[in-house]
Amino acid sequence: LAKTTQPISMDSYEGQEVNITCSHNNIATNDYITWYQQFPSQGPRFIIQGYKTKVTNEVASLFIPADRKSSTLSLPRVSLSDTAVYYCLVRGDSGYSTLTFGKGTMLLVSP
Amino acid sequence: GAVVSQHPSWVICKSGTSVKIECRSLDFQATTMFWYRQFPKQSLMLMATSNEGSKATYEQGVEKDKFLINHASLTLSTLTVTSAHPEDSSFYICSAIRSDSSYNEQFFGPGTRLTVL
Repeated sequence: LAKTTQPISMDSYEGQEVNITCSHNNIATNDYITWYQQFPSQGPRFIIQGYKTKVTNEVASLFIPADRKSSTLSLPRVSLSDTAVYYCLVRGDSGYSTLTFGKGTMLLVSP
Repeated sequence: GAVVSQHPSWVICKSGTSVKIECRSLDFQATTMFWYRQFPKQSLMLMATSNEGSKATYEQGVEKDKFLINHASLTLSTLTVTSAHPEDSSFYICSAIRSDSSYNEQFFGPGTRLTVL
């Protein structure tokens, strides 16, 4: 499984755009990049997933360069409620593919 | 949607007793479910993969006789912590993959906080 590396923590203010970058140098051809959000004492919540280029949904955007060795989760105009741990994961395309969670990035949004 | 529930949300038990945690996919069928454990200020650690109608696959270092997993239907998997001890106190989270999903994303339950006294 490709190992991921992301900053341990980030600070931001309400209304700002936050970009969290994750490196996954050993990503395999069939691997997808997935991001989850976790609040304290809750299960992780799926945010976005992509394979290449750019993916956008109502919550975030995911930018993946051509070499796919890194990815950037972009959260537009964060609010206090976006304070959480964000996990970047790489997984295979099989339904039986397991997820290996790293330490994640603790995002703190201040007023 | 894809909702996964867990019951109970928290449980306190005495050392030596067994505790059963249920994981249900409420609005979809899940051929595969996963069980994770998360200690305070740490990341999720995969314990086992649960497949409907077959034996669970446990990760290295996880005792299968201590953490019994049963996936008897397409919407229910149970984790039983047998002879629980204080070191088993943790946050247990399950996840499920929709059987009809093209993307195979895992949907997580809200977690169960286990405290062993």
